[in-house]
Amino acid sequence: DVKVTQSSRYLVKRTGEKVFLECVQDMDHENMFWYRQDPGLGLRLIYFSYDVKMKEKGDIPEGYSVSREKKERFSLILESASTNQTSMYLCASSRLQSSYNEQFFGPGTRLTVL
Amino acid sequence: RKEVEQDPGPFNVPEGATVAFNCTYSNSASQSFFWYRQDCRKEPKLLMSVYSSGNEDGRFTAQLNRASQYISLLIRDSKLSDSATYLCVVNPPGSYQLTFGKGTKLSVIP
Repeated sequence: DVKVTQSSRYLVKRTGEKVFLECVQDMDHENMFWYRQDPGLGLRLIYFSYDVKMKEKGDIPEGYSVSREKKERFSLILESASTNQTSMYLCASSRLQSSYNEQFFGPGTRLTVL
Repeated sequence: RKEVEQDPGPFNVPEGATVAFNCTYSNSASQSFFWYRQDCRKEPKLLMSVYSSGNEDGRFTAQLNRASQYISLLIRDSKLSDSATYLCVVNPPGSYQLTFGKGTKLSVIP
């Protein structure tokens, strides 16, 4: 079974703190994604990566950065956390583009910024 | 027109009922289509892919209408365990990304 793990299930940070969210997948997938999910807004893509050291902006990259130094690990960084970044953060991975590229999700990190 | 649009519900149905969800997508060149299921406070998981000819998996049937750009999911003989949010998902052409609808919430009532 594909396994995607995230470093924390729940996280509480203060405004202005630098926050690191870590994601690791064990299926040698090329693609990795970071989403945030908010009530009424659904899943929104922040950043994705299709190879080591490669990254592409998603729909809402402002206030975030990412790092992919190893194939299995994709980190999301909030340089200076703000209250409007309180959300559920979901990491996902998938194989390189194919006709039906299922994305496998981690359990999510619920981040609260005070 | 939003990229992927779904009725948010909630749909409240009794056990044993048949329920159908529809979803419309805006990019006519989209190639791949899926239904994901998300339980409360859990991550989304693939329920089924949607093929042009339509496909069935037990009590679940998915259909694609390319001409009208809509996808449907039919659940027969609803179970309490079917209570979840169902996400319609589309893979735009030439993209690694998936575009998610906001989901339709289903509650199956005893």
